[in-house]
Amino acid sequence: DAGITQSPRHKVTETGTPVTLRCHQTENHRYMYWYRQDPGHGLRLIHYSYGVKDTDKGEVSDGYSVSRSKTEDFLLTLESATSSQTSVYFCATGLAANTGELFFGEGSRLTVL
Amino acid sequence: KQEVTQIPAALSVPEGENLVLNCSFTDSAIYNLQWFRQDPGKGLTSLLLIQSSQREQTSGRLNASLDKSSGRSTLYIAASQPGDSATYLCAVNRGGSNYKLTFGKGTLLTVNP
Repeated sequence: DAGITQSPRHKVTETGTPVTLRCHQTENHRYMYWYRQDPGHGLRLIHYSYGVKDTDKGEVSDGYSVSRSKTEDFLLTLESATSSQTSVYFCATGLAANTGELFFGEGSRLTVL
Repeated sequence: KQEVTQIPAALSVPEGENLVLNCSFTDSAIYNLQWFRQDPGKGLTSLLLIQSSQREQTSGRLNASLDKSSGRSTLYIAASQPGDSATYLCAVNRGGSNYKLTFGKGTLLTVNP
């Protein structure tokens, strides 16, 4: 398994506050992704990165921004958290060049009150 | 837009039974299909990856098949065990340059001792 660490693993915050989730990988994978998982919706892609400083939007990107200043770190920021952003957030990484297989972190549970 | 459907949503079987989980997708132009396992409160663990040119993949008691033309994949679990209890997710990778996955909502499997 790829070494993927998400932090924090649990966070409770209030509406309107900024929140940053961090994904750190030790596998030198080029591709990194942020997904959110919600009951009834499954996993949905928020943003992804195909290299340092190269990012693009997924299907549910509104209210989120990302940054990738080095290969191993991919940050997800909620500029002003809302209750609809209460979710479990998963980071994933992949080599993409060969099999296209993705590997997932343990998730970060965010509650916005 | 690719849509992935998993049936049934939940399945309960006695230990030792062989079982099949189903996954269907609407757009047959896929790069690969990946089956994952998710335990409660945990991340996703990759089980099997089938490339679009392949018909099946096997790992231990697991066998995944792919029929791209009909938009279907199955995950066969032989001689099920209580430790197999988890949610099983399939995800379709449309390929291109960024390898984004579209997930089904999963099948919750319970194997009773």
